[in-house]
Amino acid sequence: GAVVSQHPSWVICKSGTSVKIECRSLDFQATTMFWYRQFPKQSLMLMATSNEGSKATYEQGVEKDKFLINHASLTLSTLTVTSAHPEDSSFYICSARRRRLNTEAFFGQGTRLTVV
Amino acid sequence: ILNVEQSPQSLHVQEGDSTNFTCSFPSSNFYALHWYRWETAKSPEALFVMTLNGDEKKKGRISATLNTKEGYSYLYIKGSQPEDSATYLCAPISSNTGKLIFGQGTTLQVKP
Repeated sequence: GAVVSQHPSWVICKSGTSVKIECRSLDFQATTMFWYRQFPKQSLMLMATSNEGSKATYEQGVEKDKFLINHASLTLSTLTVTSAHPEDSSFYICSARRRRLNTEAFFGQGTRLTVV
Repeated sequence: ILNVEQSPQSLHVQEGDSTNFTCSFPSSNFYALHWYRWETAKSPEALFVMTLNGDEKKKGRISATLNTKEGYSYLYIKGSQPEDSATYLCAPISSNTGKLIFGQGTTLQVKP
């Protein structure tokens, strides 16, 4: 299957700093990338959908100024958690899909963010 | 908001047992349904992508059916093995958004 690489796999940062997470599709062109957050003992919550070259679409309740998403190319999307606070500590994971809606999505390894 | 419900939330079975899970979703604007398996410390992996009412797909001991008119899909595992232990997630895709929104998942534990 296709490979999606997500970095870093874990990061610890101080409160008030910003953290950037990268999601790369290594062997295919991803027209759409999804960013998810997983709260403890819960499933994957969709944060936003990003399409290459256009602004991300955020889900209700997700602050776009806090979670900046950029999808500058067909192989790279980034999520920046700005002015991180301890409540932003979570597991973040991206997935990428080719053009067609009925094709499977491929997931990155996820990033465990801890804000201290 | 797309309401996706999976049941049961968790399941403990003995090796060799067969089991099945349910994924319920709104039938309007349906485009496709994905099933993923998420093993601990790994990335979720796609099992099936289903689009047609009445679709039935199979991969080894795992199979899935789809009813788009009533809005549900079943995932079956025949003769469960410990390596089947994972969380199984379904995600219907609506034609007007294209978003991949997951249900809560069913966590399966297969005891040897």
